[in-house]
Amino acid sequence: ILNVEQSPQSLHVQEGDSTNFTCSFPSSNFYALHWYRWETAKSPEALFVMTLNGDEKKKGRISATLNTKEGYSYLYIKGSQPEDSATYLCAFGSARQLTFGSGTQLTVLP
Amino acid sequence: KAGVTQTPRYLIKTRGQQVTLSCSPISGHRSVSWYQQTPGQGLQFLFEYFSETQRNKGNFPGRFSGRQFSNSRSEMNVSTLELGDSALYLCASSSTGVGSINEQYFGPGTRLTVT
Repeated sequence: ILNVEQSPQSLHVQEGDSTNFTCSFPSSNFYALHWYRWETAKSPEALFVMTLNGDEKKKGRISATLNTKEGYSYLYIKGSQPEDSATYLCAFGSARQLTFGSGTQLTVLP
Repeated sequence: KAGVTQTPRYLIKTRGQQVTLSCSPISGHRSVSWYQQTPGQGLQFLFEYFSETQRNKGNFPGRFSGRQFSNSRSEMNVSTLELGDSALYLCASSSTGVGSINEQYFGPGTRLTVT
């Protein structure tokens, strides 16, 4: 059974703070690492898909890094805004399936 | 482009009954995956269909089955429902499937309650 761990489970930050979350995954049989944002009452939305060790991706104030050798990825949010409040999911992609972590629930307080 | 649609959005069934959920992928996408989310659990992979064939399967009992039609629409069936099957069921489509670098596009989900 693949183990994909995300930490912290939940996080409250003030508007304007920068924050980061961690996703740990197996370092073998790696195809891709996905990050999704899941807002309440909406569908999960893809943020990034990363495949190469050392990959860094950026979308606006959100960025992610990938270390496949040690099996972790970081998601960073710079200058958090209330609209960033959501659950952030990472998913480990093998050849056969995506295995999701339980997510980090972010609340940005105005 | 229209997004992934799922029907119905909400469903209440009784223990022992069976249920069929439907998912229409984004036009042109040939892969449909199904996931279950229960309280306190992450998204659990059920199975993936690609070009009408089940390509991958998660660790769920045989009561969970699915199929995919020639237009890529997919159905998921759960027979002999148990209380523990109460969950949000999400489907996701992609152009090439789970074993690839392409992102998944998720539908809004079907909330199933078993009483």
